[in-house]
Amino acid sequence: KQEVTQIPAALSVPEGENLVLNCSFTDSAIYNLQWFRQDPGKGLTSLLLIQSSQREQTSGRLNASLDKSSGRSTLYIAASQPGDSATYLCAGGVGGYQKVTFGTGTKLQVIP
Amino acid sequence: KAGVTQTPRYLIKTRGQQVTLSCSPISGHRSVSWYQQTPGQGLQFLFEYFSETQRNKGNFPGRFSGRQFSNSRSEMNVSTLELGDSALYLCASSLSGVEQYFGPGTRLTVT
Repeated sequence: KQEVTQIPAALSVPEGENLVLNCSFTDSAIYNLQWFRQDPGKGLTSLLLIQSSQREQTSGRLNASLDKSSGRSTLYIAASQPGDSATYLCAGGVGGYQKVTFGTGTKLQVIP
Repeated sequence: KAGVTQTPRYLIKTRGQQVTLSCSPISGHRSVSWYQQTPGQGLQFLFEYFSETQRNKGNFPGRFSGRQFSNSRSEMNVSTLELGDSALYLCASSLSGVEQYFGPGTRLTVT
């Protein structure tokens, strides 16, 4: 059974800082990994998807990497802004048809 | 292109009742997945439909069921509601079953 862990559970940083969020998974047969952000009481917004054959993806100030051998993915946020404050979730899909397991999330607060 | 829509957005039911939630995927997407989100358990996968067929199912009791129509719209039904079913129910659609796009969710409160 796939288990996905995110550390830390909460993080508070001053505006402008670069930061890394971690996601660990137990099943190295992971097919792809997707990062989301969730604002309070809202649905999830897709940030980045790393597919099976890829190792990283970049979008603007965000960069996500995937290392299947070590069972880890990281989300790097450059020059953090108060608008980045949200809960960040990683989700791993196993198998051709996606049975997706979500991590527990990291609640990020960027202080102006 | 319109995003994923879910109706209703908020719902209050009493124990023992049943409820039906609706999800309309992004146009052209044939895969619809449902999730339950609670503070204690986080996001848990309920089931996934593709072209009207259930392809995957999570570990939820039989009180939770779903279906998908020929236009890819999906409904989720919960029968004999329990207090523990209070949660945010999220629907996600996908073109290929890989990258998922989420709706705003339905907040269900069971009293």
